[in-house]
Amino acid sequence: QLQLQESGPGLVKPSETLSLTCAVSGGSIGTNNYYWGWVRQPPGKGLEWIGSISYSGSTYYNPSLKSRVTISVDTSKNLLSLKVSAVTASDTAVYYCARLSPVTPLDYWGRGILVAVSS
Amino acid sequence: SYVLTQPPSVSVAPGKTARITCGGNNIGTKSVHWYQQKPGQAPVVVIHYDTDRPSGIPERFSGSNSGNTAALIISRVEAGDESDYYCQVWDSNSGQWLFGGGTKLTVL
Repeated sequence: QLQLQESGPGLVKPSETLSLTCAVSGGSIGTNNYYWGWVRQPPGKGLEWIGSISYSGSTYYNPSLKSRVTISVDTSKNLLSLKVSAVTASDTAVYYCARLSPVTPLDYWGRGILVAVSS
Repeated sequence: SYVLTQPPSVSVAPGKTARITCGGNNIGTKSVHWYQQKPGQAPVVVIHYDTDRPSGIPERFSGSNSGNTAALIISRVEAGDESDYYCQVWDSNSGQWLFGGGTKLTVL
């Protein structure tokens, strides 16, 4: 059974860089035909797709975040990473990692990690 | 950019049928997935590929997609169905994964 687990600091200062990792177990992150991505949810609000990375390393970002976001994978460690630079209070959210593709739904999700941006 | 529009809230009495809509330009040409999210939990797929139910999802959940509207239909609604529901598509024109704004289902 595929499992995803987010980790990282729960508090980030404004203007700094938010860095999260997602450990994938029970399967290979390098599996053909699947992408890996990040979704966030501000408190009390809806889901927002942040970006995705394909099995070949191609990246796709939400245009509203593209200038500040970097998504990468380390296939040797089965890790997915997210960096969001120059954060503000509006980046406070629960951040989820998930498996997805252009054809399939987001069928496996991590439990999510709450990241607060505050001084 | 492509936009998915959901009603913020839907209310239904127990045992009745709830219909949650997801509007988008020619959404009938896209594959729509629906997620249920309970407080403090990650979303779970309840309908994928417009009309199909993943393993373990009750038959009371069904979907439709035609023209400019997709819908999640929940028959014989139970108290446990009270959740937030989100529709989602992949937009090939922009290469983006998109979510609707979400609908809070209240069981009266």
